[in-house]
Amino acid sequence: QKEVEQDPGPLSVPEGAIVSLNCTYSNSAFQYFMWYRQYSRKGPELLMYTYSSGNKEDGRFTAQVDKSSKYISLFIRDSQPSDSATYLCAMKADSWGKLQFGAGTQVVVTP
Amino acid sequence: DSGVTQTPKHLITATGQRVTLRCSPRSGDLSVYWYQQSLDQGLQFLIQYYNGEERAKGNILERFSAQQFPDLHSELNLSSLELGDSALYFCASSVGGRQVNTEAFFGQGTRLTVV
Repeated sequence: QKEVEQDPGPLSVPEGAIVSLNCTYSNSAFQYFMWYRQYSRKGPELLMYTYSSGNKEDGRFTAQVDKSSKYISLFIRDSQPSDSATYLCAMKADSWGKLQFGAGTQVVVTP
Repeated sequence: DSGVTQTPKHLITATGQRVTLRCSPRSGDLSVYWYQQSLDQGLQFLIQYYNGEERAKGNILERFSAQQFPDLHSELNLSSLELGDSALYFCASSVGGRQVNTEAFFGQGTRLTVV
């Protein structure tokens, strides 16, 4: 079993819809959670970073962490075609540790 | 711009050769990570350095090695290259240490093609 599970998609949504992405993990030691956006063959771009359970909002993006369920989510409101990319969740147990990635979910927002 | 610089952007080389990929972390970041991403594959963790010392090792082949220098830049050395080593190689950096704000920022990658 992989430490971090993420559905690879593709996830296709119409423009303006809410995109819902999630990851589950098995290592209860994970404390730091990140979401990255990666356009085709480009460097992953950090979107959201959370340290504890709960919600964090930044513009159209909301990240949720539920440590009791070992489940994290990213919501993108009012999705745009420019949001079409691969979204990767990442997490680590401590500030020293390696960053463990999910497989990434490909999102396609259609006009 | 993430502040992480990787050179070169593209590299084409022959099988059996050796190459060196370079990464300059963001100013103030002490931790450097190396990842490999093959076509249609996820990010595979290779190795991590913190302030010059190796901190964690992933699925890094024996033909690959890395180091972090006193000025904190890092190099990934790939030798006896095979066709299967063709991939994107990413470097990421973070503050590291005992800090809460420890998110990692990625460079734009080096695209390696082995022919």
